[in-house]
Amino acid sequence: DGGITQSPKYLFRKEGQNVTLSCEQNLNHDAMYWYRQDPGQGLRLIYYSQIVNDFQKGDIAEGYSVSREKKESFPLTVTSAQKNPTAFYLCASSSPPGQGTDTQYFGPGTRLTVL
Amino acid sequence: GQNIDQPTEMTATEGAIVQINCTYQTSGFNGLFWYQQHAGEAPTFLSYNVLDGLEEKGRFSSFLSRSKGYSYLLLKELQMKDSASYLCAVMDSNYQLIWGAGTKLIIKP
Repeated sequence: DGGITQSPKYLFRKEGQNVTLSCEQNLNHDAMYWYRQDPGQGLRLIYYSQIVNDFQKGDIAEGYSVSREKKESFPLTVTSAQKNPTAFYLCASSSPPGQGTDTQYFGPGTRLTVL
Repeated sequence: GQNIDQPTEMTATEGAIVQINCTYQTSGFNGLFWYQQHAGEAPTFLSYNVLDGLEEKGRFSSFLSRSKGYSYLLLKELQMKDSASYLCAVMDSNYQLIWGAGTKLIIKP
């Protein structure tokens, strides 16, 4: 089955700790994205990557970091510098934007709670 | 600035029809997407419009007017499982998705 997996589904962290969220896809998509979703707000883009070994900051990149060493994987690290990290984190992938079929498909999400 | 507006919440009756509106102001336009999101779950893709007009897909239809910056999602023969949030998103000139806050649809028996 093709799809996007995220782990873990729920994550608890103490203040001051870094934590890494996993995202893996086997859809052979070049582009991958990380979003944050908070109640009452639209999805906000954290980082995106259109090709291996390259990524770009989104609207709210401060306090986050990513890597794209493999096409299938795009892990997100939430650092202690992120002021309000409690949120629902969503990973998505798509064909390269602007090439016709650029619908983004989402993983199941990780709900991060900072204690 | 870029802006997507949609109603916060709507209520409808099982078996009825409901229309969820979305208006947008964005830097460029490369298509409009509708997603469904059940509580606690990820968004799932419903429809994509890039040209004016109506796209029909089973019980769901989506309409676009680029000149008015307006779209709607029409849900027919409502079922209880349609209770969810419906997200409108526009792809701007940089091929980035700009998201609305979503419309929570409540279906009553």
